[in-house]
Amino acid sequence: EPEVTQTPSHQVTQMGQEVILRCVPISNHLYFYWYRQILGQKVEFLVSFYNNEISEKSEIFDDQFSVERPDGSNFTLKIRSTKLEDSAMYFCASSRFGGGQETQYFGPGTRLLVL
Amino acid sequence: AQSVTQLGSHVSVSEGALVLLRCNYSSSVPPYLFWYVQYPNQGLQLLLKYTSAATLVKGINGFEAEFKKSETSFHLTKPSAHMSDAAEYFCAVSNGGSQGNLIFGKGTKLSVKP
Repeated sequence: EPEVTQTPSHQVTQMGQEVILRCVPISNHLYFYWYRQILGQKVEFLVSFYNNEISEKSEIFDDQFSVERPDGSNFTLKIRSTKLEDSAMYFCASSRFGGGQETQYFGPGTRLLVL
Repeated sequence: AQSVTQLGSHVSVSEGALVLLRCNYSSSVPPYLFWYVQYPNQGLQLLLKYTSAATLVKGINGFEAEFKKSETSFHLTKPSAHMSDAAEYFCAVSNGGSQGNLIFGKGTKLSVKP
């Protein structure tokens, strides 16, 4: 069964460093998402992406964040200058179509620790 | 604005007992509602979803949920718990936008005692 994959599974970085989290969505999906979950808190929406551009973003997704689909398979989240509060589990998701009733398929997550 | 509240961050049941995980929602538009499960070290897996068809929704692994508009609830149930059901369960509502971004509850960790 097709699945969303994410690399790395764990990343430790120093405050102020740039990190890139990678995702490979399901191959025939058109809509892509990033969510994050700070330890003990809710899973929060960051950004959605369709047709090579950002569709929606939350207030969390400020100028230090960016997303890119550099080729036909990868979908990346870049954090330009990490802060301690960026420590979280980051989930990538994809769906075949957009809209509220579509199922989003999630990857296993990347646990980011900023020291 | 849409929101979800899950009552009980941790629920413990005995194997074979009824599982009931509570979810209440708030939505300014007719909601699309989801239950996801997360097993240790894995991603979020869809259990079931409500998309305005039948109010009683059946999902995988014997789980089901009933949409009750009058109570703004979408509780998840399973008649008989199995050890393999131990996981964290998340209720979510679509934000009503064209992209269907999800708004999650805080999650409920289910423990199953032998």
